[in-house]
Amino acid sequence: DAKTTQPPSMDCAEGRAANLPCNHSTISGNEYVYWYRQIHSQGPQYIIHGLKNNETNEMASLIITEDRKSSTLILPHATLRDTAVYYCIVRTQYNFNKFYFGSGTKLNVKP
Amino acid sequence: EPEVTQTPSHQVTQMGQEVILRCVPISNHLYFYWYRQILGQKVEFLVSFYNNEISEKSEIFDDQFSVERPDGSNFTLKIRSTKLEDSAMYFCASSGDSQNTEAFFGQGTRLTVV
Repeated sequence: DAKTTQPPSMDCAEGRAANLPCNHSTISGNEYVYWYRQIHSQGPQYIIHGLKNNETNEMASLIITEDRKSSTLILPHATLRDTAVYYCIVRTQYNFNKFYFGSGTKLNVKP
Repeated sequence: EPEVTQTPSHQVTQMGQEVILRCVPISNHLYFYWYRQILGQKVEFLVSFYNNEISEKSEIFDDQFSVERPDGSNFTLKIRSTKLEDSAMYFCASSGDSQNTEAFFGQGTRLTVV
């Protein structure tokens, strides 16, 4: 499985931007970076994904470095409801019939 | 917005009994998955299903487990003889058939084996 590295936990003040880093230094040229989150024991929730270019949707922005070895998920105005475990997943072109969940980053949004 | 639905939300069963967990994937999706999460642990891949057959399975998915898409809309996970260690949240997911499509997850079934 493609390897990603994320910090185990991060804190963020409510209303501020949350920047969650992910290292995927062994990523190959056609592999996508996906971000999911899990709030308590709910089902993982899709956030965003990208290949090379930066992406933005109504939930978040994804910044991928030019060499594609790392990425950052940005929640522009974190709320208490954004407290969750965030997973960075690299989906391989040869094995795209599963998503591998690592340990993720526990984001604690504080008032 | 289309969603993946799972039933039941909570299932309690006695050790050794068979259980069937049910899922209705998003209608135009082609890949279907089961994952499990033991309390406090990672989300673990069990199996993926495509074109009416298993596409990939993990070492967790042994002979006690089976999957089926019986009627073109439901996707089921059967555990033949449950063990205490099968107690977990089980998540179903579905996606399109390319690397550039996200998977959507259901809210899970909490299985408790007593």
